[in-house]
Amino acid sequence: GIQVEQSPPDLILQEGANSTLRCNFSDSVNNLQWFHQNPWGQLINLFYIPSGTKQNGRLSATTVATERYSLLYISSSQTTDSGVYFCAVGLGGTASKLTFGTGTRLQVTL
Amino acid sequence: KAGVTQTPRYLIKTRGQQVTLSCSPISGHRSVSWYQQTPGQGLQFLFEYFSETQRNKGNFPGRFSGRQFSNSRSEMNVSTLELGDSALYLCASSLNRGYEQYFGPGTRLTVT
Repeated sequence: GIQVEQSPPDLILQEGANSTLRCNFSDSVNNLQWFHQNPWGQLINLFYIPSGTKQNGRLSATTVATERYSLLYISSSQTTDSGVYFCAVGLGGTASKLTFGTGTRLQVTL
Repeated sequence: KAGVTQTPRYLIKTRGQQVTLSCSPISGHRSVSWYQQTPGQGLQFLFEYFSETQRNKGNFPGRFSGRQFSNSRSEMNVSTLELGDSALYLCASSLNRGYEQYFGPGTRLTVT
């Protein structure tokens, strides 16, 4: 099956710093989503981005489908950004079957 | 629009028992998928339902089953519970197959 690797596994930032999270995947995909999981376990949609670039406030994402990677940028980080960030992909006729990476655990400190 | 809802939110069961979890998708969404999250295995796909039919299945034993009703609501059932079934079970809905998925708050199942 498709492999999804996220890096770095852990990240500690001071409030106000910027960061880049990376997601590599092993096959062409039709579906790619970024999620933020809060401490209560809720997965919050950040981006649906099988290709191209999108921005939403302090967050932006870029997927280069031909090179099989996606990047999530967080600018001017805040303590509320803490949590685990997941990349998930789906391909072909099973695009609904998301395969998740192992996540990046982000801690933003004052 | 209301989000995806899951009931119950927390559940404690004993080994050997069975459990049924419920998921109500966002209004108008026709596809429902289920995932299991554990510290050891991470987030894993269980199955997807669309138009009351299972369309995709993950690599889980037959003790895990599900169904979808005509109003798109879905249930999943786990029979003969094992300690390893303790997990957060997440339901996601999407407008159509392969579209962006939106997750519910999850059901945290503990098997003792």
